[in-house]
Amino acid sequence: NAGVTQTPKFQVLKTGQSMTLQCAQDMNHNSMYWYRQDPGMGLRLIYYSASEGTTDKGEVPNGYNVSRLNKREFSLRLESAAPSQTSVYFCASSGASQATDTQYFGPGTRLTVL
Amino acid sequence: GENVEQHPSTLSVQEGDSAVIKCTYSDSASNYFPWYKQELGKGPQLIIDIRSNVGEKKDQRIAVTLNKTAKHFSLHITETQPEDSAVYFCAAGRTGGFKTIFGAGTRLFVKA
Repeated sequence: NAGVTQTPKFQVLKTGQSMTLQCAQDMNHNSMYWYRQDPGMGLRLIYYSASEGTTDKGEVPNGYNVSRLNKREFSLRLESAAPSQTSVYFCASSGASQATDTQYFGPGTRLTVL
Repeated sequence: GENVEQHPSTLSVQEGDSAVIKCTYSDSASNYFPWYKQELGKGPQLIIDIRSNVGEKKDQRIAVTLNKTAKHFSLHITETQPEDSAVYFCAAGRTGGFKTIFGAGTRLFVKA
C-alpha cells in the first residue's frame, strides 16, 4: 500500500496562474482533508470531505476549491494563485466518518507563487 | 475561533535526557488529542493519542498526560535519541467533528 500520495512534489507558479494539486489514498478511507502548513502556524484545514460526494470548508478556504472525484481521490484547485498561497500543502485521510480517527498524511506539495 | 497553543517552539536536549512539550486548548468540547511527529521533508505521522476518558497513556519512551479541567495536555519523551529530532505537533478535536486544530509545532533537537 502506498498510503496517501500527492502530486506534484514541487511547483512554482506566477501570480494569477491556476493549478490543481492531486491526492489519492489506497486505504479505503471515507474522509479526506487538505491542509496548508506555514512557518510558525502549524497545519490549518482548508477543506475536507467527510465522505464521497460531500465537501466542506475548513478554517482557511478562501482562494481554493476542491473536488472529491471518487472515494480515493481528492483534489485542491487554485484558480488564480496569489503570493499568500505560497505554502506546503498536505493531503490526509482517515478511516471512519469521525475526525477523531487517525489521520494519515501524504508527503506534501511545496508551492511557491511569485 | 478555537485554538491550540503549544510551547516551547524550540527545544534542545542532550541525548538521554527527557523532553516535555506542553499544549493548551480552548474548545472545552474537545475530547481527542493526537500528537504527530514530522521529519524533514515528510508529512506528519501520528505517534500517540489520548482521549478524554483517560488522564495518561504510555507507549515505550513516549507518554501523554491530559488535564481536562485545566485544558492542558503534554507529551513526554524519555531517554531521548538523535532520531527523536523532528517537529512535533499537538492537536485537539471532537468526536463526530472534522476540524482538528493543530498547535504551531515544537522543533526538537537531540544532541548526541
